[in-house]
Amino acid sequence: IAGITQAPTSQILAAGRRMTLRCTQDMRHNAMYWYRQDLGLGLRLIHYSNTAGTTGKGEVPDGYSVSRANTDDFPLTLASAVPSQTSVYFCASSETAASNTGELFFGEGSRLTVL
Amino acid sequence: AQSVAQPEDQVNVAEGNPLTVKCTYSVSGNPYLFWYVQYPNRGLQFLLKYITGDNLVKGSYGFEAEFNKSQTSFHLKKPSALVSDSALYFCAVRDDRYDYKLSFGAGTTVTVRA
Repeated sequence: IAGITQAPTSQILAAGRRMTLRCTQDMRHNAMYWYRQDLGLGLRLIHYSNTAGTTGKGEVPDGYSVSRANTDDFPLTLASAVPSQTSVYFCASSETAASNTGELFFGEGSRLTVL
Repeated sequence: AQSVAQPEDQVNVAEGNPLTVKCTYSVSGNPYLFWYVQYPNRGLQFLLKYITGDNLVKGSYGFEAEFNKSQTSFHLKKPSALVSDSALYFCAVRDDRYDYKLSFGAGTTVTVRA
């Protein structure tokens, strides 16, 4: 089934460790996004990529980095995890960004706990 | 700046009764408005959107929403709720001047009792 695959599904991580959340899509969408979901705050955009080779900062980018080497993959890296990064992370994609009147397609989420 | 507010954390209705989930927004340009639904331990799923045209838009699973420019609202409605509609609902807005940023509300938990 076409869509977005995220890994891992769940992870417990010690503070200070490095962690990469993986995201792969097979819909050939140009734009991809990383959101974090926290209770009472909804979803907040961390980073985005309008097309392969380009990335941009969202609302809450500090402590996170991304890369977009090709169309399909958009990994999110926490260089040195802190407890405030405990959250559920969602990767999403859309066909285009510039004419983003279309819907986002979301992965199933990665639940990260930083101790 | 753009923002969206969902004034109700929870909405409880009986099965068969009408369901309304409220959303208000703030943008500088023209709004693109969306509703998403999230079932437990799942990602968000698109329900419907308003871009332009008819103020009443129809979406998946019998849901509809009405765009009201004067009240800056985009309330989600369903004439007859089902138990299976119990989920977390998110309203989202994008200012048509920006090409990437979609702002989400905090979400409203809908519980439909049998």
